[in-house]
Amino acid sequence: DIQMTQSPSTLSASVGDRVTITCRASQSISSWVAWYQQKPGQAPKLLIYKASVLESGVPSRFSGSGSGPEFTLTINSLQPEDFATYFCLQSRTFGQGTKVDVK
Amino acid sequence: QVQLQESGSRLVKPSQTLSLTCAVSGASISSGDHSWYWIRQPPGKAMEWIGYIYHSGITDYNPTLKSRVTIEIDRPKNQFSLKVISVTAADTAVYYCARVSGATACPDSWGQGTLVTVSS
Repeated sequence: DIQMTQSPSTLSASVGDRVTITCRASQSISSWVAWYQQKPGQAPKLLIYKASVLESGVPSRFSGSGSGPEFTLTINSLQPEDFATYFCLQSRTFGQGTKVDVK
Repeated sequence: QVQLQESGSRLVKPSQTLSLTCAVSGASISSGDHSWYWIRQPPGKAMEWIGYIYHSGITDYNPTLKSRVTIEIDRPKNQFSLKVISVTAADTAVYYCARVSGATACPDSWGQGTLVTVSS
C-alpha cells in the first residue's frame, strides 16, 4: 500500500508568512495529488488537484507543485482565514494532516 | 452547488451494523461523470477511504474493509448509503460522504461528516 508522509504535523505561523507543507509518497506511481483545507466542524474543502491545478474559487495565494514522489502546498501571505488543517490525497491514501496555527 | 448530507445511527453497539445515508442535492446521483464515496477518519488518525459507487451501481471497496462493507445507490431519492457489519470500537470515526467528478479525479464536494461511536 502507498503511504503518504505529510510534514510538518503542526506549523506555527503569522499573518503574512509564506507557508509550505509537504507530502511524500512511499511509491512514485502517480503525478496526481490533491490538497484540502479543513476547519473544525466543517467539510473538507478542495484547494488543489492534479498536483498544481487551483480549484475554482480558491484564492491564488494557494499553489501546488511537485510530480512525485514529493508534493508541496504553498500558501503565500497567510491570511487569518487560512488557520486550519491541511491534508493531501494521492489515489486513495491520505496524509496525516498539518495543523497551521497562530504563532 | 452540490451539497451532501450524512444521516444515520450515531451510536452503534459492538457486533451490530452501522448504517448511514448521504442525501445529495444540486446534482444528479445518476450523472455519468461522478462517483460517490464514503471516507472515514478515526480519532487522531488520517482519513481512510472506505469505498465508492458509480451511477451504474458498480462498486469498489477498500480491501481491508471489503468483507464488511456495502455501498448502495438509491436513484429515486438521489442518495447513497453505507452499511458496515460486525462493527468494533475500531470503526468509531467521523464518516464523510463525498463526490468525485471526472474533471478533478478526486473528492471535490464533501458532507460535513457525522461521528459514529461504537460502544455498548
